[in-house]
Amino acid sequence: NAGVTQTPKFQVLKTGQSMTLQCAQDMNHEYMSWYRQDPGMGLRLIHYSVGAGITDQGEVPNGYNVSRSTTEDFPLRLLSAAPSQTSVYFCASSYSSSNGEDTQYFGPGTRLTVL
Amino acid sequence: EDKVVQSPLSLVVHEGDTVTLNCSYEVTNFRSLLWYKQEKKAPTFLFMLTSSGIEKKSGRLSSILDKKELFSILNITATQTGDSAVYLCAASGSARQLTFGSGTQLTVLP
Repeated sequence: NAGVTQTPKFQVLKTGQSMTLQCAQDMNHEYMSWYRQDPGMGLRLIHYSVGAGITDQGEVPNGYNVSRSTTEDFPLRLLSAAPSQTSVYFCASSYSSSNGEDTQYFGPGTRLTVL
Repeated sequence: EDKVVQSPLSLVVHEGDTVTLNCSYEVTNFRSLLWYKQEKKAPTFLFMLTSSGIEKKSGRLSSILDKKELFSILNITATQTGDSAVYLCAASGSARQLTFGSGTQLTVLP
């Protein structure tokens, strides 16, 4: 298993450009999430999905779109990049458990800089 | 609103010291509490706790959960320089999504 993969590893954008961060997992996990991590602020949830075709907003969804057409893929789209979106982005996946076990597996991250 | 608070924000110790990291949480329909270690890359999983009073151990690391007082601690004994990292605490609630604390930056000096 490759686990959770993310591409690209690094990206530099100009203000106003759009791009898509890719995330894929091969563990057949139902749940997938996108987080951003900024210094001193921990990980903040952007969007999440509980299964193919179902997405919902997290704590900081503005400026980002997601879709979940397959179980494996959960891309994050920046519609019009802003300097405030400079951050490290992590994708994570987990499986549904009836006993409260919600371990999330993280991808390696994408470091995005918006100039 | 779900909230997770970690303390201290940073900690500097010398090799061989024992440290205790704290995590308090307020999460709707709490399911589990997780500890992660993060060096200069993605977080790596340490422990998951779902029941009060049951200590989980892995080598020099251990953790325990108190569901009545809504907190957890992570202990590291005989610290080594390789323990230097940010330690993240996260709580899972009704939406099965994790709410993270801002982390504790641990620095272990030789």
